[in-house]
Amino acid sequence: DAGVIQSPRHEVTEMGQEVTLRCKPISGHNSLFWYRQTMMRGLELLIYFNNNVPIDDSGMPEDRFSAKMPNASFSTLKIQPSEPRDSAVYFCASSFGRNDSPLHFGNGTRLTVT
Amino acid sequence: SQKIEQNSEALNIQEGKTATLTCNYTNYSPAYLQWYRQDPGRGPVFLLLIRENEKEKRKERLKVTFDTTLKQSLFHITASQPADSATYLCALPPGNTGKLIFGQGTTLQVKP
Repeated sequence: DAGVIQSPRHEVTEMGQEVTLRCKPISGHNSLFWYRQTMMRGLELLIYFNNNVPIDDSGMPEDRFSAKMPNASFSTLKIQPSEPRDSAVYFCASSFGRNDSPLHFGNGTRLTVT
Repeated sequence: SQKIEQNSEALNIQEGKTATLTCNYTNYSPAYLQWYRQDPGRGPVFLLLIRENEKEKRKERLKVTFDTTLKQSLFHITASQPADSATYLCALPPGNTGKLIFGQGTTLQVKP
């Protein structure tokens, strides 16, 4: 099993540009999570999906952020327009089954907005 | 508001000693708590889960306790090794949902 795959690994962009982060969850997993990690705020949950349906997006900072899960094997997190304060490491995680199932994380996308 | 607190200062210990990390929470009554390990440049990796009706859980050199009265979990690594050096995060669900909220993590440094 390849694990959760995120791309790109690093992204550097200028303020105002659109950024799209991608995630392929582990095959068979039915829940998918997007987190953001910074030194100041730690690991913050942005949104999570269950069976491809967004369940809770209360952590999405503002309307500039959007996430989709068109099928069970792919999800995107889009920031438009990007701002320097969006600079962080964005993690995708997936899990299977019960609510208490452990999360399997990808290795993240390090986003730098200049 | 709901809050999870872990020691923000790094924990430095000598190889062979037992490391103890603390996770305190307020305004929660979680049904379970999970511990993860994170290495630099990598995503967190699940280590252990402990449920509210369990006092203690062990896995090899790891031991987790869960005191729902004190609202605290302790994470122990016995016979620590330099390879145990990492950041350790506790996580719990803010209600009966699939969400998982993480503490800031405690960085452990084991010196040879």
